[in-house]
Amino acid sequence: DAKTTQPPSMDCAEGRAANLPCNHSTISGNEYVYWYRQIHSQGPQYIIHGLKNNETNEMASLIITEDRKSSTLILPHATLRDTAVYYCIAYFGNEKLTFGTGTRLTIIP
Amino acid sequence: EPEVTQTPSHQVTQMGQEVILRCVPISNHLYFYWYRQILGQKVEFLVSFYNNEISEKSEIFDDQFSVERPDGSNFTLKIRSTKLEDSAMYFCASSERSWNTEAFFGQGTRLTVV
Repeated sequence: DAKTTQPPSMDCAEGRAANLPCNHSTISGNEYVYWYRQIHSQGPQYIIHGLKNNETNEMASLIITEDRKSSTLILPHATLRDTAVYYCIAYFGNEKLTFGTGTRLTIIP
Repeated sequence: EPEVTQTPSHQVTQMGQEVILRCVPISNHLYFYWYRQILGQKVEFLVSFYNNEISEKSEIFDDQFSVERPDGSNFTLKIRSTKLEDSAMYFCASSERSWNTEAFFGQGTRLTVV
């Protein structure tokens, strides 16, 4: 699995868009970019994933650069409940997930 | 919405005792996993299970650990002789297939070894 790099922490004002960056410069052609989050000590929660194209679902949008070396997770209207650790994982999507240290996102009231 | 359920939510056990952590994966899922998270550390993969056998395991998953799917709904993790360093949150997860899909995680069992 390709290594990913994320900022250790970020703040975002409630109601604003939270943009979480991730670098994965060594990603290979068939590795997906997955995002999970972990709220407090709960089980990780899937957010979104993509291969090449930008993706959107009810939780977030995923923007992947054309060269696929980086991506951004966008939470369009952050709420206090979005405070969590966010993990960007580049992998083949086959079974084992390797979690890094992620980005601790704090939503400020 | 379907969910992965884990029991118990918290288990305290004495060092050297056997412990079984239980999970009910989502019903139509075929791939099952255990992860653990020691307090303040990363979420670590332990084992994946498919078609009634282990498909991959990490170096953490030594002979003290075993997994079983005793019936059509439960998936268990057994630790034979617990050590203090086994104290952690243990998360069960399941997925519909192994490729291009998401894993659904349970809320975890907090294991405390005293």
